[in-house]
Amino acid sequence: GAVVSQHPSWVICKSGTSVKIECRSLDFQATTMFWYRQFPKQSLMLMATSNEGSKATYEQGVEKDKFLINHASLTLSTLTVTSAHPEDSSFYICSFRGAGGINEQFFGPGTRLTVL
Amino acid sequence: AQSVTQPDIHITVSEGASLELRCNYSYGATPYLFWYVQSPGQGLQLLLKYFSGDTLVQGIKGFEAEFKRSQSSFNLRKPSVHWSDAAEYFCAVGARGSQGNLIFGKGTKLSVKP
Repeated sequence: GAVVSQHPSWVICKSGTSVKIECRSLDFQATTMFWYRQFPKQSLMLMATSNEGSKATYEQGVEKDKFLINHASLTLSTLTVTSAHPEDSSFYICSFRGAGGINEQFFGPGTRLTVL
Repeated sequence: AQSVTQPDIHITVSEGASLELRCNYSYGATPYLFWYVQSPGQGLQLLLKYFSGDTLVQGIKGFEAEFKRSQSSFNLRKPSVHWSDAAEYFCAVGARGSQGNLIFGKGTKLSVKP
């Protein structure tokens, strides 16, 4: 399967600061990617879907001004958590959609965000 | 609306015993079906997937799953569990012809007794 990396793997920040998480596909190009968040002992919740070169589509209840997504290229997407608060502490996972019209997704290893 | 139900939150089996994790879905047609495994603090690894054809699907690490249309189920099985299989398992469905987003079940945590 395809390889997806995320950086950083974990980050601790103070409340009110912004944090950027990078997601890269290392061996393929994908036009569609997804950002999920996962609270402890819970499932993945889709935050947003983005296509390269266009604005992201956010799920209901996700603040687009707080969670900025930039799908800069076919191999890179970033999620910026602006003015982070403790309730934003979570595990953030990105994924890229495979080619061929099939809904297979390739997931990154995740980023653990802790906001103090 | 699509939904995925994993009835078992936590299952404990003895090493060497067989395993079955249940997954039921709600969808108007036949969706794409997936099983993923997640180790603590890690991302998701695809175990197997069903798109069409043979309803018994073989995956990695000795896992298999069977799609049963009449029961709207896609249960995951393994004949002999290893201690390294202890992890969280997620069933997911994807709509055909959509942009590709997946709906995940709440997960089943598997513990393995020595």
